[in-house]
Amino acid sequence: AQSVTQLGSHVSVSEGALVLLRCNYSSSVPPYLFWYVQYPNQGLQLLLKYTSAATLVKGINGFEAEFKKSETSFHLTKPSAHMSDAAEYFCAVSEFGNRDDKIIFGKGTRLHILP
Amino acid sequence: DTAVSQTPKYLVTQMGNDKSIKCEQNLGHDTMYWYKQDSKKFLKIMFSYNNKELIINETVPNRFSPKSPDKAHLNLHINSLELGDSAVYFCASRIRSGNTIYFGEGSWLTVV
Repeated sequence: AQSVTQLGSHVSVSEGALVLLRCNYSSSVPPYLFWYVQYPNQGLQLLLKYTSAATLVKGINGFEAEFKKSETSFHLTKPSAHMSDAAEYFCAVSEFGNRDDKIIFGKGTRLHILP
Repeated sequence: DTAVSQTPKYLVTQMGNDKSIKCEQNLGHDTMYWYKQDSKKFLKIMFSYNNKELIINETVPNRFSPKSPDKAHLNLHINSLELGDSAVYFCASRIRSGNTIYFGEGSWLTVV
C-alpha cells in the first residue's frame, strides 16, 4: 500500500534562507508524487508533480523537488524563502492506473517564515 | 471560470441537522472525489466516483451519502450532523487517463 511521511510538522526558516521540506514515500509501483500548498483558509494548490519524466521537477513560486528512488524521497526546496511562503505544505503519492486509484496525502508541514 | 467549484464555502449548522455540499467541475473530467480535512489538517479520501459510478467508499459513516447526477457533479449529503463532522470538505476531479487531481476551494463545515 502506498503511503507518505512528512518529517517535521512545523519548520521555521528565516526570510531569505533555504527552505527544505522533507517527504518520503512508500509505493509498490513507480509512483506519481505531488506537493500541494494550502494558505490559511484557502484550498489546495498544486505546486509541482513528478510523473516519471525528469527527476528534478520545477514548480510554481520558485519551488522545486527532486525524486530520489534509492532514498524513496521527494523533498521540496526553495533557495530563498519569502514571507508569502508561510503556509501548510502537503506531499502526496498516487499509483494512478487502477480503477480505485486515489491520491494519498502526508500529514502536512507548516512552514513559518521568520523576519 | 473556476474549474472545480463547491458550494457553500462556509456552513454553520446545529447538531442533528441534514445538510448538503454541492460540487461541480467544468474540466470535462470523468472521476470525482470527496476528501475530508480534519482539525489537524489531515486529508483523507472519503469517496470517489467514475462516470457516476461509486468506486471508493473509505469506511465513511452511512450518514454521509454522495450523489453523482452526472459526471460533472458530485454532491455530498450528510444526515444527522454530529460535532465530529466539523471539518473542511474538498471536492476534486481528474480525467482517468491523467495524473493530476484538481481540488476545489473547500467547504468549511462547523457543527454547533
